[in-house]
Amino acid sequence: DQQVKQNSPSLSVQEGRISILNCDYTNSMFDYFLWYKKYPAEGPTFLISISSIKDKNEDGRFTVFLNKSAKHLSLHIVPSQPGDSAVYFCAARGPYGGSQGNLIFGKGTKLSVKP
Amino acid sequence: ETGVTQTPRHLVMGMTNKKSLKCEQHLGHNAMYWYKQSAKKPLELMFVYSLEERVENNSVPSRFSPECPNSSHLFLHLHTLQPEDSALYLCASSQGTVGLTEKLFFGSGTQLSVL
Repeated sequence: DQQVKQNSPSLSVQEGRISILNCDYTNSMFDYFLWYKKYPAEGPTFLISISSIKDKNEDGRFTVFLNKSAKHLSLHIVPSQPGDSAVYFCAARGPYGGSQGNLIFGKGTKLSVKP
Repeated sequence: ETGVTQTPRHLVMGMTNKKSLKCEQHLGHNAMYWYKQSAKKPLELMFVYSLEERVENNSVPSRFSPECPNSSHLFLHLHTLQPEDSALYLCASSQGTVGLTEKLFFGSGTQLSVL
């Protein structure tokens, strides 16, 4: 059973508009969330993270929102650029101890930003 | 020199072959990981090494055998693989407490095809 779900396999957005990528999780013990970006033929690279004590974290054009009651987080990219076209992975981690502390990944959402 | 280097980038092997994947990290991290990415599936954690000691083995078949001779190098030895083992194998490293994974730094991966 997937603990981290990205239900949209793909998303297409016009350049300059907002991209919103969504992620849902089932484990209420998760307390740290990350987004990774992956270009073809490259490994995933860290983009932005958020702790469960916050509901928003911003870094330039990228903002992650966390709704703990809904077990939902989203990544907003404003404005979207063609270079943002990539696969975006959501990941979550439980509190300290054993396998709970390892990152659990979603399947990814492929974002295409059209010029 | 990139932070995490994986070789080879591509590998085609028969089911009776023995091959090894290599990973080297130049970041001074204390933990290294093997992940498997199959088509349309989330990244699956295979093995975790912390300070050269294996701390996680996620029910991976014995035809996959990891080795961590020092904190900078990680190998994945492959033998008698099956076609369903064809996937992208990603190595990652992190700096953090055992059982509390901080953000991961990934290599570019080895695309493995088993014929």
